Parts: sequence; C-alpha cells; structure tokens
Amino acid sequence: GENVEQHPSTLSVQEGDSAVIKCTYSDSASNYFPWYKQELGKGPQLIIDIRSNVGEKKDQRIAVTLNKTAKHFSLHITETQPEDSAVYFCAASRGGNTPLVFGKGTRLSVIA
Amino acid sequence: DTAVSQTPKYLVTQMGNDKSIKCEQNLGHDTMYWYKQDSKKFLKIMFSYNNKELIINETVPNRFSPKSPDKAHLNLHINSLELGDSAVYFCASRLSGTPGGRSYNEQFFGPGTRLTVL
Repeated sequence: GENVEQHPSTLSVQEGDSAVIKCTYSDSASNYFPWYKQELGKGPQLIIDIRSNVGEKKDQRIAVTLNKTAKHFSLHITETQPEDSAVYFCAASRGGNTPLVFGKGTRLSVIA
Repeated sequence: DTAVSQTPKYLVTQMGNDKSIKCEQNLGHDTMYWYKQDSKKFLKIMFSYNNKELIINETVPNRFSPKSPDKAHLNLHINSLELGDSAVYFCASRLSGTPGGRSYNEQFFGPGTRLTVL
C-alpha cells in the first residue's frame, strides 16, 4: 500500500521568511495530493491540493509542487505570519473512494 | 452552518465500557470516513462508507463498529474500550463521482472527539 514520508517534523521560521515542507510517496498510481492545516483543538482543513497532471499550483502565499518521476511533492509558504503556526499534513491517494494516506505531520512555528 | 459535526467533543470513560461517537454532515456528501489521530498526531483511516455501504475497513478491531443510518450520518460504536483506544477521532466527508464533469476529492473534517480511556 501507499506510504507517505514527511519532513521535517518540526520547523521554526521567523515571521516573513519562507517555509518548505517536503513529502515523498511510494505508490506510483497515486494521483491526488492534498495538504491539510490543523490548528490546535480543530480538525484538519484543506489548504491546497494538486493532481498528478499538474506540476505546480499556487494560491496567494501558498504553493505546492509535484515531481511525479521522483514521487515527491512540497508545500511552500511565503511571507509567513504567526497565524500560519499549526501542524501541516501532506497526503496521497489514488483518488475516488480510495483513502487518503497521511504523512506524520510538520509542526510549523512562526516566530514574530 | 454547513459543516461536519461530531458529538461529543470530549469523552472520558473507564476501560471495558461501551461508547458511541456521532457524526453528521449537511454538505450533501455521499461518502463519510472515520480517522484516528494518536498522541503523536498520526492520522490513519479506519472506515469509509459510500451511500451507507462500507467500502473501506482498515484492519480495525471488531470492537469498533461503524453504523450509517443514512448518507448524512456515520456513527462509531466502540465496545470493551481499552487504554490504547485513547485518541482523537475525526469524521470526514466528501462528494464522490464527477458531478458536472469535475472530480471532487476534498475531504471535509469534523472538529474531532477526544476519547480518554482510564
């Protein structure tokens, strides 16, 4: 089955700097790669996703890149703000009703 | 509010007891999930239902029994609770198929139920 590795497990950045979180996946049939943000005491919330037919997607300060050949994808947050502090999860699936397989999460701390 | 809701938010109980967690979504979705998040924040799928039918069961002990009375509800009943069942349980939902020619994959998560077994 699918296995998703996520690094780093913790990340501290100064406000205004960029943050990058990387994930690798094992199942070459996976075609859907979402990123979720989980704030303290809340459920995960989708912040951006990418499908395998696209190499990059951007939404304001957030971007995701996908390298299908290397089977890795990354989350980039620019101009970080204190409210970006949270746990971020990457995930992969074959789409449809197949389950999301999550990475182990990255705790991002943005220091003001 | 349109959302995925869960009750209760917190559940503290003794080992050996039986308890239930309820989940409801008013998003018109037809697929619902239960995930378990352990103390290290690792999120793992437990079950998935599509149109009230079980489609995913990820080697979860049979003490856990999901029940879907209709497409908007997926409840989780746990028998003979054990210490290792302590975790946060998340319900999620999504719309399957390709309505309007577009494939929707986004899963919407509920706020979670923190279960503590003493």
